Amino acid sequence: AQSVTQPDARVTVSEGASLQLRCKYSYSATPYLFWYVQYPRQGLQLLLKYYSGDPVVQGVNSFEAEFSKSNSSFHLQKASVHWSDSAVYFCALSPHSNTNKVVFGTGTRLQVLP
Amino acid sequence: AQTIHQWPVAEIKAVGSPLSLGCTIKGKSSPNLYWYWQATGGTLQQLFYSITVGQVESVVQLNLSASRPKDDQFILSTEKLLLSHSGFYLCAWSLSRGTSAETLYFGSGTRLTVL
Repeated sequence: AQSVTQPDARVTVSEGASLQLRCKYSYSATPYLFWYVQYPRQGLQLLLKYYSGDPVVQGVNSFEAEFSKSNSSFHLQKASVHWSDSAVYFCALSPHSNTNKVVFGTGTRLQVLP
Repeated sequence: AQTIHQWPVAEIKAVGSPLSLGCTIKGKSSPNLYWYWQATGGTLQQLFYSITVGQVESVVQLNLSASRPKDDQFILSTEKLLLSHSGFYLCAWSLSRGTSAETLYFGSGTRLTVL
């Protein structure tokens, strides 16, 4: 069975600092991978997704993620964070065999200090 | 443009009472539809998905049921609520191609408190 692990429940950084949110997955083949963001009392919004090709994926608001098959990872990065980036970030996986089943990680709560 | 509307925004219900949550998608025909449950501060657990009217697949058993009476409507319900049903319920839709990494588009959710 597939699974997603986000080892950091909370991350705190200062505004303007760089950011990396970690995501490790478990799946027998290369899955579809996603990063979603959830702002308070709202649904989730897609930041970016990976399904093949270039392992570095660009997303909205200058976020990017790098897929690593050897490390089974899909870490999210941003060069310079803004206070408005404070939110909960979810990594998710969808198997090629059934794209209707999307498994989410436990989420990482990001706090950006002004 | 597509819109997704969930109702109600919030509910406070007693243990053992019935529940019905709804979701409507406008501007997209034959979408795939999903129900997710999120415990307070927790991850999202997929509950159901539907790829066509009248057909619903259950992903986990939580004493809940779902139905898709119309192409643009998805209903989550139970006859008897449990304390463990408390949480945030999210409806989502995606394109129905099913052959690629389809984005999930989420509603704003329903906050359910069971007392």
